[in-house]
Amino acid sequence: GDSVTQMEGPVTLSEEAFLTINCTYTATGYPSLFWYVQYPGEGLQLLLKATKADDKGSNKGFEATYRKETTSFHLEKGSVQVSDSAVYFCALLNAGGTSYGKLTFGQGTILTVHP
Amino acid sequence: DADVTQTPRNRITKTGKRIMLECSQTKGHDRMYWYRQDPGLGLRLIYYSFDVKDINKGEISDGYSVSRQAQAKFSLSLESAIPNQTALYFCATSDPRTETQYFGPGTRLLVL
Repeated sequence: GDSVTQMEGPVTLSEEAFLTINCTYTATGYPSLFWYVQYPGEGLQLLLKATKADDKGSNKGFEATYRKETTSFHLEKGSVQVSDSAVYFCALLNAGGTSYGKLTFGQGTILTVHP
Repeated sequence: DADVTQTPRNRITKTGKRIMLECSQTKGHDRMYWYRQDPGLGLRLIYYSFDVKDINKGEISDGYSVSRQAQAKFSLSLESAIPNQTALYFCATSDPRTETQYFGPGTRLLVL
């Protein structure tokens, strides 16, 4: 079945540091890939997405590129802020077979940014 | 107003009790989902519904049931709560055109 693996957390950075959160996936066919973010005390919200190979999703200074050859969708930001402290989830949506319409999530990575 | 609302936001109950968590959405989507979140495990799908007459089990449906009362309402019930159902529960709805899911704020459930 489909699966998503994220890098172990938690991740602690100083403000303005470079961020990478690794995400790899296993899926049949051609899934869409997502990053969701969960701020403290809130539900998840979509951060960015990519629907086909080599697409780059971007939002709020975050970027991720859909790499089919390495089955990866790593999240990056050049300069993090304290307000980026949250839990980040990588997810995939496989439009085929029994996975139709269902998101598969990674385990989440806690990011803490210090001033 | 929030697009997806959940009630209650927090609940403490005892082992063996039946409880219901409610979810309403104003986005007009047919698809709705219930997830539970546990530390280190991400979100796991409990049940999902693609329209009012369609209910499907997710990966961890044992001990749970759902009711889709209308397009906008999707309730989750714990028939006889047990301590390992202590978790954060999220309702979501999705737009199939954009493949984006919209989440409620969550219900924190503690089973004693």
